[in-house]
Amino acid sequence: DAGITQSPRHKVTETGTPVTLRCHQTENHRYMYWYRQDPGHGLRLIHYSYGVKDTDKGEVSDGYSVSRSKTEDFLLTLESATSSQTSVYFCAITRGLGYTFGSGTRLTVV
Amino acid sequence: GIQVEQSPPDLILQEGANSTLRCNFSDSVNNLQWFHQNPWGQLINLFYIPSGTKQNGRLSATTVATERYSLLYISSSQTTDSGVYFCAAQLEAAGNKLTFGGGTRVLVKP
Repeated sequence: DAGITQSPRHKVTETGTPVTLRCHQTENHRYMYWYRQDPGHGLRLIHYSYGVKDTDKGEVSDGYSVSRSKTEDFLLTLESATSSQTSVYFCAITRGLGYTFGSGTRLTVV
Repeated sequence: GIQVEQSPPDLILQEGANSTLRCNFSDSVNNLQWFHQNPWGQLINLFYIPSGTKQNGRLSATTVATERYSLLYISSSQTTDSGVYFCAAQLEAAGNKLTFGGGTRVLVKP
């Protein structure tokens, strides 16, 4: 979708290194979300934001932090990557109450 | 939190067949959404359906909020319908967060 982009699309990193994933939106939506998708678990919420500098935890927030210093960008940081954080990460925005997802970031921690 | 369960987990269809996917949720929700994840991993919003019935081409969805379930109907299935179908429940009071079911993996054979 043209309104939301994620970067990078793919990343391989080593255990113990910090990693930051970026979600960028162009449509001034208040709410932004980070989900991870793993086989057998569907999509699970990591963190979400309801405005600049306003964030809250989701169900699988341990090991992750987020920041939102401006409306258009929502950053997800793995402070010290572990193999259990190998996953596909999706960012989402809401259009009204309907969601739009980014294309995902495939992260592999070796 | 809300629990969302989908059935069946897997479905194999012959092209042209009809099918019904089911989504049960544990609590009253403000909204129920259906998504299709295509074989390339992209998540597409199909329906935003808190109650009632909606149709979009060969797909339709019905949510019976009082009985806490939603159904997705695929008619005259095509190979392009293959992928994973997710339902997700949403509560406005909980930051519009989506809680996903585990998905139904659909394979349509030519």
